[in-house]
Amino acid sequence: DQQVKQNSPSLSVQEGRISILNCDYTNSMFDYFLWYKKYPAEGPTFLISISSIKDKNEDGRFTVFLNKSAKHLSLHIVPSQPGDSAVYFCAASGFQKLVFGTGTRLLVSP
Amino acid sequence: KAGVTQTPRYLIKTRGQQVTLSCSPISGHRSVSWYQQTPGQGLQFLFEYFSETQRNKGNFPGRFSGRQFSNSRSEMNVSTLELGDSALYLCASSSGAAGGAGANVLTFGAGSRLTVL
Repeated sequence: DQQVKQNSPSLSVQEGRISILNCDYTNSMFDYFLWYKKYPAEGPTFLISISSIKDKNEDGRFTVFLNKSAKHLSLHIVPSQPGDSAVYFCAASGFQKLVFGTGTRLLVSP
Repeated sequence: KAGVTQTPRYLIKTRGQQVTLSCSPISGHRSVSWYQQTPGQGLQFLFEYFSETQRNKGNFPGRFSGRQFSNSRSEMNVSTLELGDSALYLCASSSGAAGGAGANVLTFGAGSRLTVL
């Protein structure tokens, strides 16, 4: 039972363009959502988060949008840079657990 | 300050053996969580320890166990290894102050990659 889903295993964009990574969840009791980035041979690192009482949070080039009615969140990276190439995991917090999605591999080409 | 340290980084075992993985959290962090990462499955939650007590547990069989010591260092053990246990095992620490791993940003270690032959 995958409560947090990232339906796109991979995404390729050109440098300077926008990257949009999507995430869907099934449980309306989740109250906090996070994005993590993972480079090969490293552990995931926290990127940005959003509370369920908000619909947008911005941090530099990264913006997370939350649509509670659709149980959908997205991460926008503008402009995308080659160093952003990594696997991105969304995660949802609830019931004292952090539930992760399966990840989306982003490739930003020069 | 030092990050989360996991040892060993790589190990190879055969079916039926057992393995113990170690995790040293960030100094001052009292919560340690363990995750299993396999291709296509993302990060699956194993368990969380806070002040030497297991505070939460995922849906893994009893072959997977863990513990936390008084200095917050944690170990996880997998007994009777199966081929499907081959994975990257990630440890993460947080202050744990808000009552659960889900309420805090986690800092991950680089992981221990286990291969079961």
